[in-house]
Amino acid sequence: DAGITQSPRHKVTETGTPVTLRCHQTENHRYMYWYRQDPGHGLRLIHYSYGVKDTDKGEVSDGYSVSRSKTEDFLLTLESATSSQTSVYFCAISGQGNEKLFFGSGTQLSVL
Amino acid sequence: SQELEQSPQSLIVQEGKNLTINCTSSKTLYGLYWYKQKYGEGLIFLMMLQKGGEEKSHEKITAKLDEKKQQSSLHITASQPSHAGIYLCGAAFPNNDMRFGAGTRLTVKP
Repeated sequence: DAGITQSPRHKVTETGTPVTLRCHQTENHRYMYWYRQDPGHGLRLIHYSYGVKDTDKGEVSDGYSVSRSKTEDFLLTLESATSSQTSVYFCAISGQGNEKLFFGSGTQLSVL
Repeated sequence: SQELEQSPQSLIVQEGKNLTINCTSSKTLYGLYWYKQKYGEGLIFLMMLQKGGEEKSHEKITAKLDEKKQQSSLHITASQPSHAGIYLCGAAFPNNDMRFGAGTRLTVKP
C-alpha cells in the first residue's frame, strides 16, 4: 500500500472555527489531491497540487484553502467551518497527472 | 454537476448473478479508472483503461472503454458477497485534475 497518512481520522468542531487537515505521503509523488465524499455526490475535487507551492482549484473549492510547502505534506484548511462542510475528506496522490490515484483512509469531519 | 455520470446509483443482486455498471462522459477521456470502496474505507484501484476499445479483466471483473473513449462499463460475473461495496469511475481531465462519478452502491445477497 502507498504510504499515505491522513490526520486526524475523526474531528468534531463548531461552526466558525478554523480546521486544518493534514495529508502526509512517503512516496515522493508529485501530485496530491483533496476530495470530499458526500452521499449522492460521490467524490468531488476540492483542490490539488502538482508540485511544491503549485496548487489549483477543483470543482468545490469555495471555503477551502490548501498549502504545500514540501513534497510530502498537503494541508487542507477550512478558515471558518460551516455545517455544509461536514463530510468525509480523502487525500490522494499520484506520480504523474494521468496516473491512478492512491487514497488515504479518510478524515470524518463533523461541523456542529 | 458531475463530469461523469454513473448508473445505476444502487444495485441489489442475488449471489451468482451477473451485473453491469456504466460510466458516461460528455467529453473524450484521457484515461478511465475504476475504483472500489468498502463501506467506511478508502478507495482501492481496480483497473485503468486508456485506449478506445480497450478491455481488461481481473478475476471476475471486466472493464471496457468504448471506441470514442466516452463510455465505460464494469461487468461482474457470478457475483459474490465480497464484491459488495461502492464502485466509482474516475477520469483525468485537462490540467490533470481527476474527477469521479457519484458511485454505484452494490449489494450482493447470499
